[in-house]
Amino acid sequence: DAKTTQPNSMESNEEEPVHLPCNHSTISGTDYIHWYRQLPSQGPEYVIHGLTSNVNNRMASLAIAEDRKSSTLILHRATLRDAAVYYCILRDENQGGKLIFGQGTELSVKP
Amino acid sequence: GAVVSQHPSWVICKSGTSVKIECRSLDFQATTMFWYRQFPKQSLMLMATSNEGSKATYEQGVEKDKFLINHASLTLSTLTVTSAHPEDSSFYICSARGAGGGTEAFFGQGTRLTVV
Repeated sequence: DAKTTQPNSMESNEEEPVHLPCNHSTISGTDYIHWYRQLPSQGPEYVIHGLTSNVNNRMASLAIAEDRKSSTLILHRATLRDAAVYYCILRDENQGGKLIFGQGTELSVKP
Repeated sequence: GAVVSQHPSWVICKSGTSVKIECRSLDFQATTMFWYRQFPKQSLMLMATSNEGSKATYEQGVEKDKFLINHASLTLSTLTVTSAHPEDSSFYICSARGAGGGTEAFFGQGTRLTVV
């Protein structure tokens, strides 16, 4: 399974943008980059995913490096409700599309 | 996003008994479902992958006779923890996705199992 590397924790201030980095130097051509987040005692929540091009949705933006070896999840204006563990995951469609979770980044948001 | 519902949200059972957890996709057909477990302060660990109508594929180290998975329809998968012991106490989470490459997976809210 392809691996991702994320910082263990990050802090941000409310209403400021947050850039969560993820390194995935061993990514293969069939790997999609997925981001999920998890609040305590809840199941993970889908945030965004992409393959090669940058992606935007109502929750966040995903910036993918040209060589695809890294990506950044961008929360444009952090709120207290964005405090969670954020997981960057590579999903290989050739392996049934299973998601293998790493340790993720624990994001705290200060008022 | 799509809705995946787990039931029950929490369960307490006696050691030696079996517990069944249900996972339903409410508004889409889930061709593939995944089961995870999560211990406190740890990440999710994939236990098995099931495709509708097929036997589940278990990850290395997961006992298939202890964790029985059934995926009999496109909207329902069940995980049965047989002969539960206190060390099986954990947070169990299911995930479901539809057919087609690039489709995202959606997660249930999780089931907290406590074996006493």
